[in-house]
Amino acid sequence: GAVVSQHPSWVICKSGTSVKIECRSLDFQATTMFWYRQFPKQSLMLMATSNEGSKATYEQGVEKDKFLINHASLTLSTLTVTSAHPEDSSFYICSAGGGTGLGGDGYTFGSGTRLTVV
Amino acid sequence: AQSVTQLGSHVSVSEGALVLLRCNYSSSVPPYLFWYVQYPNQGLQLLLKYTSAATLVKGINGFEAEFKKSETSFHLTKPSAHMSDAAEYFCAVSEGNTGFQKLVFGTGTRLLVSP
Repeated sequence: GAVVSQHPSWVICKSGTSVKIECRSLDFQATTMFWYRQFPKQSLMLMATSNEGSKATYEQGVEKDKFLINHASLTLSTLTVTSAHPEDSSFYICSAGGGTGLGGDGYTFGSGTRLTVV
Repeated sequence: AQSVTQLGSHVSVSEGALVLLRCNYSSSVPPYLFWYVQYPNQGLQLLLKYTSAATLVKGINGFEAEFKKSETSFHLTKPSAHMSDAAEYFCAVSEGNTGFQKLVFGTGTRLLVSP
């Protein structure tokens, strides 16, 4: 089946530094990538949607200059948290749309990245 | 805008008992509906989905859900709970039913299974 590889699975960084999270679709072309943020014991909040080769569409309240999303190829999308602060600590999950079928057939989630900013 | 309501942030059952996790949705268009399971520090795994075909949907691990348009519900059930079913469950609805529309998630229900 469709697989999305997300790396790193966890990262600790110092306040003020930047962190890049990668999501790769291993066996299908991800035409659309969704990036979610999840706080402890809470639901997933959509941050942005990106289509290959286009600028990402950010949800209201998400700082596009802080959370840089690149979707330059059909198999790779990256989320860069710039000038990270402790409040950016969270669990970040990508979801790729692509592969066989429309809609529900094509949503494949990465395994998530636990970001801790100290 | 579409939305999902999951009643009960926690559900506790005994091993072997019926599992019922509730989900109600709001949508102005025929929805796609999903149930996902999440284990600690992991991504989401699709249990099952409704995409306007059969209203009774069977998924993995013995789970099933029934789409009831009149009740705007998509409740998840399993006849007999296993200890391994203990996890967080999310119901989600897609905005629109063409292409890859974003998913709107419910707040999740934590299933606790006791021996």
